[in-house]
Order: sequence, then C-alpha cells, then structure tokens
Amino acid sequence: AQSVTQLDSQVPVFEEAPVELRCNYSSSVSVYLFWYVQYPNQGLQLLLKYLSGSTLVKGINGFEAEFNKSQTSFHLRKPSVHISDTAEYFCAVSDRGGGATNKLIFGTGTLLAVQP
Amino acid sequence: DSGVTQTPKHLITATGQRVTLRCSPRSGDLSVYWYQQSLDQGLQFLIQYYNGEERAKGNILERFSAQQFPDLHSELNLSSLELGDSALYFCASSATGATGNTIYFGEGSWLTVV
Repeated sequence: AQSVTQLDSQVPVFEEAPVELRCNYSSSVSVYLFWYVQYPNQGLQLLLKYLSGSTLVKGINGFEAEFNKSQTSFHLRKPSVHISDTAEYFCAVSDRGGGATNKLIFGTGTLLAVQP
Repeated sequence: DSGVTQTPKHLITATGQRVTLRCSPRSGDLSVYWYQQSLDQGLQFLIQYYNGEERAKGNILERFSAQQFPDLHSELNLSSLELGDSALYFCASSATGATGNTIYFGEGSWLTVV
C-alpha cells in the first residue's frame, strides 16, 4: 500500500519569492509520482509527473520537482511565484507495477497563498 | 478545459434519496475514474473502468455503484444518501488504463445532502 504526506497544509509566500511544497511518500513498491493543482472551483490539473529518467522534472507554469528515492520525497519548487499561483497543490503516487490499473493515491494538499 | 465533462455541476438532495452523476471522458480516452473529495477524507479513489469493464476498486461504499457504457461515458449512482456523502465528485479519464498514464480531471459535481 502507498501513502502520501504533505506536511504543510498552508504555505504563505510573497509574490516573486521562491517556494517549495513538500511531499513525502511511503510505499513497499516502486511508484510513479505526480503533482496536481486545483484552482478555486475547478478540477485538478496535472503540473508534472515523474515516471523514470532524470530525477529533476519540469512542469507547466514554471514549476519543477525533484525525485529523491533515498528520502522518499518529491518536493515541488518554483523560483518566483505569482498571485495567479494561489491554489491547492496535491502530490500523488501510483503503483509502478500496477499494470492495467492506474489508481492515484493523493496527499491531503497544500494551499499556496501568494500575497502581494 | 480538460475535455472531461461532468453533469450536473451542483446537486442538492435529501437524505435517503438516490442520484446519478454523469461523465463524458476526453475524446479517445478508454479509461474512466471516479474520485470523491471531502473535507474530512480528502481525495479518495472510488473506482476505475476501462472500455466498459471494471479495472480497480477503491473506497467505494456498497450504496454506490458505477458503470461505463459502450459509448464510454460513465455514471456514478449514489443511493440511500447520508449527510456524510456530501462532497465533490470528480470524474477523470486517461487514454489507457495503464499505470503512469496521465489522468485528466473534470470540474466535478458538487453534491449536497440535506
């Protein structure tokens, strides 16, 4: 079984400052890793995903994340945030050996609140 | 716009009632998923279908059922509704059902049980 921990329920940050949203996972099997964003009153949108290869993954809207297998982490970063980045961010995992199933296990989310 | 369409967007119903939520996946996607988002449980996987067949089951209550039709649209049926069923229900789709495939989410159906 897998689980995802997002320790920070809310991260306040000023506009143009850098930000890191933390994600740690627990799994007895190899996993794929994802970050989704949910803007107010909207569905979830994929920011980026790690399947294999380079551990540094670049996504949309200037976000990137680094997979650290030894730390079982997949932290999300952005060097300079904008007001429009204010949203809920969800980290998720799926079982790499899941075969024909593609179940995502989500963390509890982190609200990124960008202040002017 | 993800291309996943859900109806209705909002629904208010009484305890004990039955509702049906409808989902049209992105064009060409064969796999459909249902997720429930609530304040106390967070985002929970309910069920996955692939080309009309059930692929995986999560924390779906026995009072809930789903199906995927030959035209690939899906319905989630919620019966004997309780106050605790109030939540945002997401439908999502992916091209295949294979692990790692990008999953695209709809905007959700808000269910309020009173």
